Amino acid sequence: NAGVTQTPKFQVLKTGQSMTLQCAQDMNHNSMYWYRQDPGMGLRLIYYSASEGTTDKGEVPNGYNVSRLNKREFSLRLESAAPSQTSVYFCASSQQGAWNTEAFFGQGTRLTVV
Amino acid sequence: GNSVTQMEGPVTLSEEAFLTINCTYTATGYPSLFWYVQYPGEGLQLLLKATKADDKGSNKGFEATYRKETTSFHLEKGSVQVSDSAVYFCALSYMDTGRRALTFGSGTRLQVQP
Repeated sequence: NAGVTQTPKFQVLKTGQSMTLQCAQDMNHNSMYWYRQDPGMGLRLIYYSASEGTTDKGEVPNGYNVSRLNKREFSLRLESAAPSQTSVYFCASSQQGAWNTEAFFGQGTRLTVV
Repeated sequence: GNSVTQMEGPVTLSEEAFLTINCTYTATGYPSLFWYVQYPGEGLQLLLKATKADDKGSNKGFEATYRKETTSFHLEKGSVQVSDSAVYFCALSYMDTGRRALTFGSGTRLQVQP
């Protein structure tokens, strides 16, 4: 059971470079999320997609873009990386409409911007 | 708005000690409450949940009771093990303009010593 798969697991970027973080889920979930995790701040929502074809900003969307490619895949793009975007990024999915069910998380991408 | 406040860590305990990690929340309406656990190098996974007032969630010896009168969802375990060393996140889930939103606390690191 793969669950939520993120790639890559680690990445180092130079300031100004761009990259795309990939996420795929095989649980037929409608909703997908991108979070960033920083020390002492818990997880903060960057963007989410309630269903295929829709995306919405979360708490900290600046500097990021997302694409819900299909029901399975939800990618996060950094167009021009900045040191402030050094973080651990988590993708998650859940069944929309069932707000009392759990979210499933990928293993994370550790991104360092130098 | 909706938010979660957790006690700061790290919490350091000896094996077989009693554990309490405090969590309080602010929410409109009736959210669901969750505890997630993150083991080193891994993503978050659901530990337990409660969906309405006075519900008790339990799993792997951990328990938490949804207390609406004190807006709390404290995590407890009677006898911790070294393998319980991890970061624990309290979270609440609610509906926001028809879409599900999940808000996390800042996390509490637990270190259990043999």
